[in-house]
Amino acid sequence: QVQLQESGPGLVKPSGTLSLTCAVSGGSISSSNWWSWVRQPPGKGLEWIGEIYHSGSTNYNPSLKSRVTISVDKSKNQFSLKLSSVTAADTAVYYCARTHRVVTARVYYYYMDVWGKGTTVTVSS
Amino acid sequence: QSVLTQPPSVSAAPGQKVTISCSGSSSNIGNNYVSWYQQLPGTAPKLLIYDNNKRPSGIPDRFSGSKSGTSATLGITGLQTGDEADYYCGTWDSSLSVQVFGGGTKLTVL
Repeated sequence: QVQLQESGPGLVKPSGTLSLTCAVSGGSISSSNWWSWVRQPPGKGLEWIGEIYHSGSTNYNPSLKSRVTISVDKSKNQFSLKLSSVTAADTAVYYCARTHRVVTARVYYYYMDVWGKGTTVTVSS
Repeated sequence: QSVLTQPPSVSAAPGQKVTISCSGSSSNIGNNYVSWYQQLPGTAPKLLIYDNNKRPSGIPDRFSGSKSGTSATLGITGLQTGDEADYYCGTWDSSLSVQVFGGGTKLTVL
């Protein structure tokens, strides 16, 4: 079955860029799924960051759009997140997730069925 | 403030039934399908319900989902101590163009 594994630095300096990668195993990133990033600040709820399709099409959370870039590397079967100009408010557990996204007559069938274990990123000097 | 509203906490005794509500609007729950996630302490979220009321393979039928208008409900019967977790509802918001989640509900099995 498909498994996801996040990786990247656990500590990022304020004003720096957070960079994470999600490796997909047990399946192809070129399947008919989208691939998302979701984060969870300490003691708080889930926040969707954005998603990518293997074609390179992306959708981002408007609240983060100016700072976020999600990319895909089909040769390595992985996708990545970059978040620039980070502050302490970006400290969170970051999850990658396989996403089912079907739109029919403007109705969205949208859910995340496979999640990585998450990686903690702390923004601090 | 989350776009979707859930009660912060619910509790019930082992073996009993509990429901968790998720309230939204016409731009999210009212027009799109709802999913529910279980997050056990210290772990990643896990899909419990998708497309309002469907269960992924391996999810027991003690878990059920429903939707009416701009609200959705997660039901759990035969409560077990292992069900103690945070539960989140989620859906797409067509006005905001973003996946939205509820603030989460902490279930305590007394």
